[in-house]
Amino acid sequence: DIQMTQSPSAMSASVGDRVTITCRASQGISNYLAWFQQKPGKVPKRLIYAASSLQSGVPSRFSGSGSGTEFTLTISSLQPEDFATYYCLQHNSYPRTFGQGTKLEIK
Amino acid sequence: EVQLVESGGGLVQPGGSLRLSCAASGFTFSDHYMDWVRQAPGKGLEWVGRTRNKANSYTTEYAASVKGRFTISRDDSKNSLYLQMNSLKTEDTAVYYCWMATPTGDYWGQGTLVTVSS
Repeated sequence: DIQMTQSPSAMSASVGDRVTITCRASQGISNYLAWFQQKPGKVPKRLIYAASSLQSGVPSRFSGSGSGTEFTLTISSLQPEDFATYYCLQHNSYPRTFGQGTKLEIK
Repeated sequence: EVQLVESGGGLVQPGGSLRLSCAASGFTFSDHYMDWVRQAPGKGLEWVGRTRNKANSYTTEYAASVKGRFTISRDDSKNSLYLQMNSLKTEDTAVYYCWMATPTGDYWGQGTLVTVSS
């Protein structure tokens, strides 16, 4: 199985900060990676697919990059509604595997 | 509007069985692959498995943690997805979501809680 390792597991940041979350795959997955946001008590929501394609309706401050084994999710200027937990998901092969999550908290 | 509504969760003893359902509406259910994803209390997301559509022979895929114990099926005539869970373990306690991902968006049910405890 492909292991997905996110870093950091948790972080605190301030409104307006630029934030980067990293996801590393245990083997190459081309660009078959998605990023999800989950707020407390809510269902997850896909932000990015195919590593760098922004889901319709998602603010342009979110961006994704990477290919192979290293991927990043960047939020260019944090907004209050962005404080949440973020997950990566590889869909290159079965079983699909999520990263363990990155909890983004307000500093 | 796409809607996914899970049902069937509850309290079950270790070793027991439970069948979850997901009622779909607002899209052509029979065209789509469907997934189950779960989330243990306070923990991260875990992909459980997938069923493909009729064009792909309704074949299924599973996470290693549930393979041989869980079975995913669907009834396109009822626009419904199912998760049959057997030999349940305490570590299967989680909210179970049905999930559909398309190039234009992804859709989640509200989830149904399964608690495995004696």
